[in-house]
Amino acid sequence: KNEVEQSPQNLTAQEGEFITINCSYSVGISALHWLQQHPGGGIVSLFMLSSGKKKHGRLIATINIQEKHSSLHITASHPRDSAVYICAVRSGSRLTFGEGTQLTVNP
Amino acid sequence: DTGVSQDPRHKITKRGQNVTFRCDPISEHNRLYWYRQTLGQGPEFLTYFQNEAQLEKSRLLSDRFSAERPKGSFSTLEIQRTEQGDSAMYLCASSPGTSGGAYHNEQFFGPGTRLTVL
Repeated sequence: KNEVEQSPQNLTAQEGEFITINCSYSVGISALHWLQQHPGGGIVSLFMLSSGKKKHGRLIATINIQEKHSSLHITASHPRDSAVYICAVRSGSRLTFGEGTQLTVNP
Repeated sequence: DTGVSQDPRHKITKRGQNVTFRCDPISEHNRLYWYRQTLGQGPEFLTYFQNEAQLEKSRLLSDRFSAERPKGSFSTLEIQRTEQGDSAMYLCASSPGTSGGAYHNEQFFGPGTRLTVL
């Protein structure tokens, strides 16, 4: 079992739909990161959180430390949101990554 | 552009050859990380530096791999006697480290070097 598990692995949505991507982890962490990776490899940090909830535009990230679970929500999804979304947990200086969720938003 | 840069972006080599990749972190970032990502998987940690000191190495970093950050700025990752299994995207990231306030642990990623070993 991986230390960081994401679901679903693949997600297809219609433009405008509300999207949720889940992340569960099994190790103690100091923070959890949500990252976005576009084709070609570039990774952008979306959120870094250690408790509660953060919001940036149409993106919302939540974390429940007791349940070792985090969710990334996208409201009013758009085709430009199509990318791989990766959950990563930080323990010390090391990041451990999930396998990513491939999101495709169709117009 | 003041982000993390990596060179080259793509490298095709024959099995058995040596390759070297370069990463230039964001200026004044103390910490620099190397990751490897194979197709369809999330990145895997390889090693990280605090200034010029290599503080942690993954078991993934075999004897054929070596990383340096001689002056605490740019870093190089060398793979000797490449194997087909080394084909992957090699990602570099940097973070402020011990400076930078509340966000000192946020990592900023470069575009990656895609290695293909034939």
